[in-house]
Amino acid sequence: NAGVTQTPKFQVLKTGQSMTLQCAQDMNHEYMSWYRQDPGMGLRLIHYSVGAGITDQGEVPNGYNVSRSTTEDFPLRLLSAAPSQTSVYFCASRAWGGGGPGANVLTFGAGSRLTVL
Amino acid sequence: AQRVTQPEKLLSVFKGAPVELKCNYSYSGSPELFWYVQYSRQRLQLLLRHISRESIKGFTADLNKGETSFHLKKPFAQEEDSAMYYCALVAGGTSYGKLTFGQGTILTVHP
Repeated sequence: NAGVTQTPKFQVLKTGQSMTLQCAQDMNHEYMSWYRQDPGMGLRLIHYSVGAGITDQGEVPNGYNVSRSTTEDFPLRLLSAAPSQTSVYFCASRAWGGGGPGANVLTFGAGSRLTVL
Repeated sequence: AQRVTQPEKLLSVFKGAPVELKCNYSYSGSPELFWYVQYSRQRLQLLLRHISRESIKGFTADLNKGETSFHLKKPFAQEEDSAMYYCALVAGGTSYGKLTFGQGTILTVHP
C-alpha cells in the first residue's frame, strides 16, 4: 500500500497563478483533509471531506477550493496564489465512523512545499 | 470551539534528562487527545492517544481534566527523540470529529 500520496513535493508559483495539489489514498478511507503547516501556527485545517461528493470548510479555507469526485482523490486548488499561501501542505486521511484503535487516527502524506513569489 | 495550546515552540534537553512537552486544551465536553510526531524527513505519525493508556518509545501522557492538560513525558530523553511534536484534540463521543492541532514543539535532545 502506498498510503497517502501527494504531488508535487515542491512548487514555486508567481502571485496570481493557479495550481492544484494532488492527494490520493489507497486505503479506502472515507475522510480526507488538507492542512497547512506554518511556523508558530501549527497545523491548520483548510478543507475536509467525509466521502465522495461531500466537502466542507475547515479553519482557513479562503483562497482554496476542493472537490471529491472519488473516494481515492482529494485535490486542493489554489485559484489565484498569494504570498500568504507560501506554506507546507499536508493531506491526511482516515477511516470514517466506528471505533477501535484506528478511530480518529490520521495517516499523513509526505507534504507539498509551496512558495509563492 | 476547541483549542489546543503548546506553550513551548522550542525545547532543548540533554540525553538522559527527563523531558516534558506541555499541552493544554480548551473544550467544554469530553475530548479525545493525541500526540503526533514528525521526525526529520519523515511523515507526521501518531505517537500515542490518551484512550490507549500506553507507553510508546518510553513516552507517556496523562489526561488531566481538572487542569485541561495532556502533557507528554519521558523520563530519559534520547537523541532519536529529537523531532517536532504536535498535540491534537477531537471532540469526544464521536468517531468523525475534526482534529485540532496545537502550534507544535520542536524537541532537541543534545548528546
